[in-house]
Amino acid sequence: DAGVIQSPRHEVTEMGQEVTLRCKPISGHNSLFWYRQTMMRGLELLIYFNNNVPIDDSGMPEDRFSAKMPNASFSTLKIQPSEPRDSAVYFCASSLALGQLNTDTQYFGPGTRLTVL
Amino acid sequence: SQQGEEDPQALSIQEGENATMNCSYKTSINNLQWYRQNSGRGLVHLILIRSNEREKHSGRLRVTLDTSKKSSSLLITASRAADTASYFCATWGAGGTSYGKLTFGQGTILTVHP
Repeated sequence: DAGVIQSPRHEVTEMGQEVTLRCKPISGHNSLFWYRQTMMRGLELLIYFNNNVPIDDSGMPEDRFSAKMPNASFSTLKIQPSEPRDSAVYFCASSLALGQLNTDTQYFGPGTRLTVL
Repeated sequence: SQQGEEDPQALSIQEGENATMNCSYKTSINNLQWYRQNSGRGLVHLILIRSNEREKHSGRLRVTLDTSKKSSSLLITASRAADTASYFCATWGAGGTSYGKLTFGQGTILTVHP
């Protein structure tokens, strides 16, 4: 299995531009998570989906952030407009979620390092 | 604020020594998990301990959980240079604002010198 795939691996953009991060979960996994990692705040859960439906988006910082999961094999995290404080590493993770979600192992992608100038 | 707080923030040891990292948390949990992150990579799940368990082993890893003190420890025995990484504890909340989600601590940076 290829694992969780994220693209791009690195993104450098200017303030005000739209940024779209992409994630392909492990085939057969039913849950997908978006996290953000910074030195100041550590790893934060932004949003997660179960069976393509957003379950908890309370971690999304503000309306500039949006996430979609149009099908079981693809998700996007969009920032519009981007700001320098959005600079971080964004991770996508997926889990099987056959039983209780809380005991499932989450498998992380390699992350997208976003720099907003 | 982060649910889990690791201690120490950084740990430097020699190959063959044991490494112990601690994690404290604030609210009630369903389980506690430990992850490893190599530099520039995503996190890798190491071990999960449920709230009704006190100790768990996996290879060279030993995890303890004390729910009365809201703390956990991860012991890596006979460390190797390849164990050099950041280690995070993560709690699956059983109530409050952390309910139904995995909340990560700030991590311990472990360096194992050959």
